[in-house]
Amino acid sequence: KAGVTQTPRYLIKTRGQQVTLSCSPISGHRSVSWYQQTPGQGLQFLFEYFSETQRNKGNFPGRFSGRQFSNSRSEMNVSTLELGDSALYLCASSPLATGDQETQYFGPGTRLLVL
Amino acid sequence: GENVEQHPSTLSVQEGDSAVIKCTYSDSASNYFPWYKQELGKGPQLIIDIRSNVGEKKDQRIAVTLNKTAKHFSLHITETQPEDSAVYFCAASRTDTGRRALTFGSGTRLQVQP
Repeated sequence: KAGVTQTPRYLIKTRGQQVTLSCSPISGHRSVSWYQQTPGQGLQFLFEYFSETQRNKGNFPGRFSGRQFSNSRSEMNVSTLELGDSALYLCASSPLATGDQETQYFGPGTRLLVL
Repeated sequence: GENVEQHPSTLSVQEGDSAVIKCTYSDSASNYFPWYKQELGKGPQLIIDIRSNVGEKKDQRIAVTLNKTAKHFSLHITETQPEDSAVYFCAASRTDTGRRALTFGSGTRLQVQP
């Protein structure tokens, strides 16, 4: 099976702009989670989507949002970009909603640089 | 919320030696503990995981142990090789809610000297 794919891989934006990142989960996986990775804060959970519904949200401002489509693909959006939003944004997918299928498989990430 | 502490932050070993990375967690309801390896320019790759109904799990040169009472878990890599050099992250989550928010440790940079 193909792994989690994320596009674009690299992105440069300026402060105040908005950005949309895309994630395609592993075929058959229905849960998609997003994480932000920075040198200072490490890996932090942003949100999780399942069946087109946001099921869980981390401690990030409302400028960070996401959605999931009926084919399980997901997008996240950051509006009014700030310098501190520069980070590696990681998408992870897992197969089922409940039970023991908790394993999350990560994509390569999108590296966002805000100037 | 959950808090995961990871030590050491850097670890240098000679090829063939063993490496041990330790993590502690705060939420006694956490019951799933994965370990990820992240190489430069790549996303985290799951290398092993353990659930709270198991005390130890092994996969070739890698093993993880869990002490629920003390709320800590450890990664053991034996016979280290240069290709084991990477950043390793521990994580914890609770599965009873059906939600998948992993809380990560701060990472350990492992360097295996040939």
